[in-house]
Amino acid sequence: AQTVTQSQPEMSVQEAETVTLSCTYDTSESDYYLFWYKQPPSRQMILVIRQEAYKQQNATENRFSVNFQKAAKSFSLKISDSQLGDAAMYFCAYEMDSSYKLIFGSGTRLLVRP
Amino acid sequence: SAVISQKPSRDICQRGTSLTIQCQVDSQVTMMFWYRQQPGQSLTLIATANQGSEATYESGFVIDKFPISRPNLTFSTLTVSNMSPEDSSIYLCSVQYFAAANQETQYFGPGTRLLVL
Repeated sequence: AQTVTQSQPEMSVQEAETVTLSCTYDTSESDYYLFWYKQPPSRQMILVIRQEAYKQQNATENRFSVNFQKAAKSFSLKISDSQLGDAAMYFCAYEMDSSYKLIFGSGTRLLVRP
Repeated sequence: SAVISQKPSRDICQRGTSLTIQCQVDSQVTMMFWYRQQPGQSLTLIATANQGSEATYESGFVIDKFPISRPNLTFSTLTVSNMSPEDSSIYLCSVQYFAAANQETQYFGPGTRLLVL
């Protein structure tokens, strides 16, 4: 069965600095998608970034980028120039290509210090 | 992206009662999902709801406890039946949205916070 592991329960970053959140996953599939979602205190799940497993190029969305290492089954999120509004729970998620079901990691709480 | 609304946004219920949560999408979507997020935990998939077919439940979730309706391509309901305090959670619906070929992404509603006393 597929699993997603986030080993950092909480991370802290100084405003304007860079932080990296870790995620590893386990699967025997070759085609899948990976996502990072953000959940602020409002509890709305917000899509941050997505990565297709068949693409070697790492996805980027403005200040957010990923380091996708398919062989190592690693999918880390880098947040550059951190802002106070980035403070939230961040969930890594795996989606098997054929089912569209999302499997979530346990989450990392990101604190941003002013 | 798809815009999703849920009703109610929160509720406090007595044990033994049932609550029906509504999920409305602003565009037609084939696949809708219901997730549960227990306090301080991650999200767990309850079931997949496709229009025109019975919902497909994940291990540990049964139709008698969580009946789901999917009457059309923009609406679904989840009922939490015979509630107990252990059902206190955030319930989220999501939709699989196809912005373009190979650009499908799952978007979430704002969630329903349920407290069972």
